[in-house]
Amino acid sequence: QKEVEQDPGPLSVPEGAIVSLNCTYSNSAFQYFMWYRQYSRKGPELLMYTYSSGNKEDGRFTAQVDKSSKYISLFIRDSQPSDSATYLCAMSDRGSTLGRLYFGRGTQLTVWP
Amino acid sequence: GAGVSQSPSNKVTEKGKDVELRCDPISGHTALYWYRQSLGQGLEFLIYFQGNSAPDKSGLPSDRFSAERTGGSVSTLTIQRTQQEDSAVYLCASSLDALTGRGRLNTEAFFGQGTRLTVV
Repeated sequence: QKEVEQDPGPLSVPEGAIVSLNCTYSNSAFQYFMWYRQYSRKGPELLMYTYSSGNKEDGRFTAQVDKSSKYISLFIRDSQPSDSATYLCAMSDRGSTLGRLYFGRGTQLTVWP
Repeated sequence: GAGVSQSPSNKVTEKGKDVELRCDPISGHTALYWYRQSLGQGLEFLIYFQGNSAPDKSGLPSDRFSAERTGGSVSTLTIQRTQQEDSAVYLCASSLDALTGRGRLNTEAFFGQGTRLTVV
């Protein structure tokens, strides 16, 4: 079993839809939870991060972490064609330094106009 | 430049040859990572450098892979006797990897564009 599981999709939604992306994990030591967005033939870029459990909102994006269930989510409201990309969840179990990041496989999202 | 720079952007090599991939991190970033991304797969951790600490090499898939970071800045990933299964995009990232004023980690890792390696 991989430490981080993520459904690769692909996921295809119409413009304006609410998108839900999820990851599960097995390591209860994970403390930092991140979502990266990767456009085709580009490197990933950090979208949001959350420390421990809870919600975090940034514009149309909301990240949720449920440590009791070892489950994290990213919600995209009012999705746009420019949101079409691969979304990767990532996690870290360190405290004073970030250390290696554990990535999911990524979910490929297409938002059609 | 302001971002992480990787070279070459593309590399085609014959099976059995050695290759060197270069990464120039963002100036001042103490942490540097190498990851590998195969088609349809997530990012596979290879190695992590943090300041003067011993690197975390736990992700290197075989002894054909090695990496060094000179002067705490530029890093080179070397693959010896390349195999077809080594074909992938090799991504380098760097981060400040420091605590913020609130005692939390600055978690943002900045990735380069990657080197697309094809072994034929």
